[in-house]
Amino acid sequence: SQTIHQWPATLVQPVGSPLSLECTVEGTSNPNLYWYRQAAGRGLQLLFYSVGIGQISSEVPQNLSASRPQDRQFILSSKKLLLSDSGFYLCAWSREPGNTIYFGEGSWLTVV
Amino acid sequence: GNSVTQMEGPVTLSEEAFLTINCTYTATGYPSLFWYVQYPGEGLQLLLKATKADDKGSNKGFEATYRKETTSFHLEKGSVQVSDSAVYFCALVSGNTPLVFGKGTRLSVIA
Repeated sequence: SQTIHQWPATLVQPVGSPLSLECTVEGTSNPNLYWYRQAAGRGLQLLFYSVGIGQISSEVPQNLSASRPQDRQFILSSKKLLLSDSGFYLCAWSREPGNTIYFGEGSWLTVV
Repeated sequence: GNSVTQMEGPVTLSEEAFLTINCTYTATGYPSLFWYVQYPGEGLQLLLKATKADDKGSNKGFEATYRKETTSFHLEKGSVQVSDSAVYFCALVSGNTPLVFGKGTRLSVIA
């Protein structure tokens, strides 16, 4: 069966520091991968999605970036965090575009 | 573009009450519709889905029927429990576009 893991689960970072959130999917190949952010009271916002290695689509211009160095690995990064980057970040995967999306456990980021 | 509108929360119900959470959508083509649930401090879990008009998705006592004529996918449960307290998200996908979510509805069930 397929599983998705992301880490770290919780982190507190100062303003201006870098960020790296990692996500891996097991049990499938060539998944579509997604990063969503859930800010308090604002629902789910799609940040990035990827249909293959090195292919990244950005939905919202901001100081975050994503990379897909391997087929089942998806990384969310920032060079300098802002207070407004605080939120709950969710990695997700699907077999193909338009299919059901399955989510990881989420990562709580607090920028102080 | 594609969009989902769901009722504002929070919704507070007593145990064993009937639940309805409204969801309407706008989409090009023939979307698939989903309900996801997020329990406190956790990620999202797929609750149910429907892929074509008049389909009924069901799981854990929850149901939703894909109504093309009213572009709706309302979530219902006949008798809620305290353990159903969570945030519920309606979502759609159409063609090759990523999933689009509503803003979520927080449900609190009190004993």
